[in-house]
Amino acid sequence: DTAVSQTPKYLVTQMGNDKSIKCEQNLGHDTMYWYKQDSKKFLKIMFSYNNKELIINETVPNRFSPKSPDKAHLNLHINSLELGDSAVYFCASRPGGPQETQYFGPGTRLLVL
Amino acid sequence: AQSVTQLGSHVSVSEGALVLLRCNYSSSVPPYLFWYVQYPNQGLQLLLKYTTGATLVKGINGFEAEFKKSETSFHLTKPSAHMSDAAEYFCAVTGSGSARQLTFGSGTQLTVLP
Repeated sequence: DTAVSQTPKYLVTQMGNDKSIKCEQNLGHDTMYWYKQDSKKFLKIMFSYNNKELIINETVPNRFSPKSPDKAHLNLHINSLELGDSAVYFCASRPGGPQETQYFGPGTRLLVL
Repeated sequence: AQSVTQLGSHVSVSEGALVLLRCNYSSSVPPYLFWYVQYPNQGLQLLLKYTTGATLVKGINGFEAEFKKSETSFHLTKPSAHMSDAAEYFCAVTGSGSARQLTFGSGTQLTVLP
């Protein structure tokens, strides 16, 4: 069983389109994250949710909107895609309490043409 | 605020040689430190972590790291490199807020030469 899954794995789209990436975790974790990995492999936090509540919203264009329908899911919707949005997007989850390990999904490779 | 510096964006070692990947951190609170590995076109896998207690931490695949507070370092080592160790390695530190988000270093690409 996959602990943190993301769909789709690859996403190729045109500039200006709207797309969504889905993330699900079956670990029962309280906190979920979205990270962006750019072309130079640099990883940066975008959003964090705890029990469906947004707790981190880094400096990210408001074209990016996360949604957490329940504790096990954190989706990322992107409006009006731009060339610079091309990246790998990773979802991660972490248990609450003193545990600190984050578990990452396989990533969604987004290419905007 | 936390930050991580990884010295050397590319490291090459011969198979069987010592692997040393360097990581220095900056943190205003006691840090939790991590090493993750990323194989090509895959996600991130935890190698090891330091939270509290013993400063020498052993991880998977024969890797270990030592937390040195006086040097603000958390270098990753492996006594003998294997071809399968070729990957990108990331050092990370957690934030102090409730989200405990990870702040990553810029990564080190490890190449293992036959």
